[in-house]
Parts: sequence; structure tokens; C-alpha cells
Amino acid sequence: EIVLTQSPDFQSVTPKEKVTITCRASQSIRSSLHWYQQKPGQSPKLVIKYASQSISGVPSRFRGSGSETEFTLTINGLEPEDVATYYCHHSRALPSFGGGTKVEIK
Amino acid sequence: EVQLVQSGAEVKKPGESLKISCKASGYTFNTYWIGWVRQRPGKGLEWMGVIYPGDSDTRYGPSFQGQVTISADSSITTAYLQWSSPKASDTAIYYCARGGDNNDWYFDFWGQGTLVTVSS
Repeated sequence: EIVLTQSPDFQSVTPKEKVTITCRASQSIRSSLHWYQQKPGQSPKLVIKYASQSISGVPSRFRGSGSETEFTLTINGLEPEDVATYYCHHSRALPSFGGGTKVEIK
Repeated sequence: EVQLVQSGAEVKKPGESLKISCKASGYTFNTYWIGWVRQRPGKGLEWMGVIYPGDSDTRYGPSFQGQVTISADSSITTAYLQWSSPKASDTAIYYCARGGDNNDWYFDFWGQGTLVTVSS
């Protein structure tokens, strides 16, 4: 079973600051890594697929990178509406989610 | 427009059977995987399993194999998640979600969630 480890667990940043979230896989998952945003009280929403592919309707400040075992979600200039918990997820055999990173405004 | 509309909140006693549903519309139901994700109170997301309605191929996450049953009825484009004997530890919000392109198991559209409470 592939384990995804996200860091940090929590990040408090000022508006317009850059946010970087890391997701490490316990073995290679090639580019089968996806990112979701979950705002309080809402369903998750896909923001990046296949490590770096953008999603229609998602602001361009959301960027994904990485491959194999190390991946990054970057928010270039945090906006108040980006306050949420972010999860990585791999879709190889026996998919799983990372533990989540809560992003708040300082 | 792709939509996934889930059934309403449920309150059950331990051991009372339970089945929740997810009505899909806006796409060809039989040609995408559809799956379920658990979120316990204050906790993260857990991948439970998926079904391909076209041939009923079903896959379960290790923690959920034998604990729940995923099914689908193509005639009414609806997926189901059921328990024969729920426990208090099954108390959670359950989301259904559509599998992505390329017959993959990431989720591009999500339902609104169904709150399940199991309590004596």
C-alpha cells in the first residue's frame, strides 16, 4: 500500500503570500497524483490533476509540480477564498489520500 | 452539467442495515468509475472504493473490503453504498464522486455528502 505524507499539517500565511505544500509518496506513483481543496462545510474540489495539469475554472495561481515520489502544490499569492484544507491523492492501485494541510490567513 | 445528488442524512442504531445513494446526471453513467470517500468528524479523506457501472467491476480500499458493499443501477444512473451491520465508528460524512478521464480513479466531480450517524 502506498502511503502519502503531506507537510506541513498547518500553514498560516498573510494575504498574497506564496503557499507551498509538499506530498511525498512511499514509492513511485509516476504522475498519478492529484490535489483537492476542501473549504469548511463543503465537498472537496479537484484543483490539480496528474501532478501538474490545470483544471478548468480553477485560478491560475494554483500550480502543481513533481513526479515519482515528491510533489508540490503552490498557491502563488494566497487570496482569502483559498482558506481551506488541501489533500493530495494518488490513483494507482489501492488509492489513498494524504493527511491534509490546513491553510489559514494570518 | 455533471451532477451527483446524494440521499439525505441518516441516523441508525448499531446493527440496523443502511443504504445511501448517489444519483448521477449530465454524463454517460456507464463509462466512468464512480466511488465513495469517507470523512469522519474532524478528520481527513479516506478512499473507500469504486464501481464501473458498465460491467459492475468493483474495487475496495483495504480498510473497507468486507465492511461495506458498493453497487450501481445503470437504469436509474444511481450508485449505492450499504452496510449490513453498521457500527458507531461508521459515523461520518460519505461523499460520492465521479472518476476522472482515462478510466482513472481520481475524482473530478463530487456529491454534496451524506451524514451518517450510528448511535445507540
